[in-house]
Amino acid sequence: KAGVTQTPRYLIKTRGQQVTLSCSPISGHRSVSWYQQTPGQGLQFLFEYFSETQRNKGNFPGRFSGRQFSNSRSEMNVSTLELGDSALYLCASSPPGVTGELFFGEGSRLTVL
Amino acid sequence: KQEVTQIPAALSVPEGENLVLNCSFTDSAIYNLQWFRQDPGKGLTSLLLIQSSQREQTSGRLNASLDKSSGRSTLYIAASQPGDSATYLCAVNQAGTALIFGKGTTLSVSS
Repeated sequence: KAGVTQTPRYLIKTRGQQVTLSCSPISGHRSVSWYQQTPGQGLQFLFEYFSETQRNKGNFPGRFSGRQFSNSRSEMNVSTLELGDSALYLCASSPPGVTGELFFGEGSRLTVL
Repeated sequence: KQEVTQIPAALSVPEGENLVLNCSFTDSAIYNLQWFRQDPGKGLTSLLLIQSSQREQTSGRLNASLDKSSGRSTLYIAASQPGDSATYLCAVNQAGTALIFGKGTTLSVSS
């Protein structure tokens, strides 16, 4: 069974640009969550999607947005990039019926110059 | 507001030692607690999930315990190996919120 797949794995952007990250969950998983990981703040929750609806949202500015498609794949977008957005962005999917159990992808490493 | 703390932030041990990693949380109203492992630059791998009604879970050389009333969990690693070197994170799950993570303990096992 394939795991959670995130693309791209690495990317470099400049301030002011925007970026779109993609996540394909494990087959059969309908819930997808996104986290930002930085050395200083650790893992911080961005948002969660279930059946194409945002179910939960963390405390991030409106520049951070996401969506989920009918096949459960998810994308997140960051507009007007800032230096502080440099981070590892992790996507996780959850199986039905087990609250809180997450399976993570390898992440997308974003560097903003 | 739930807060999760992991102490120590870093730990170095020689190969073969048994060790304990600690995780504490401020609000005992949790559904479950999960331990993860993260290798440098990689994603998180789930190690053990303990439901709030359980006291412990075991997988191979790993044993995780949960004491909800005192807001504590421990991850016991038996006979440590260099391949166990990684960052270990704990996370709690509560109603209506996403998983809340500690900042992790970075373990280094020397041969």
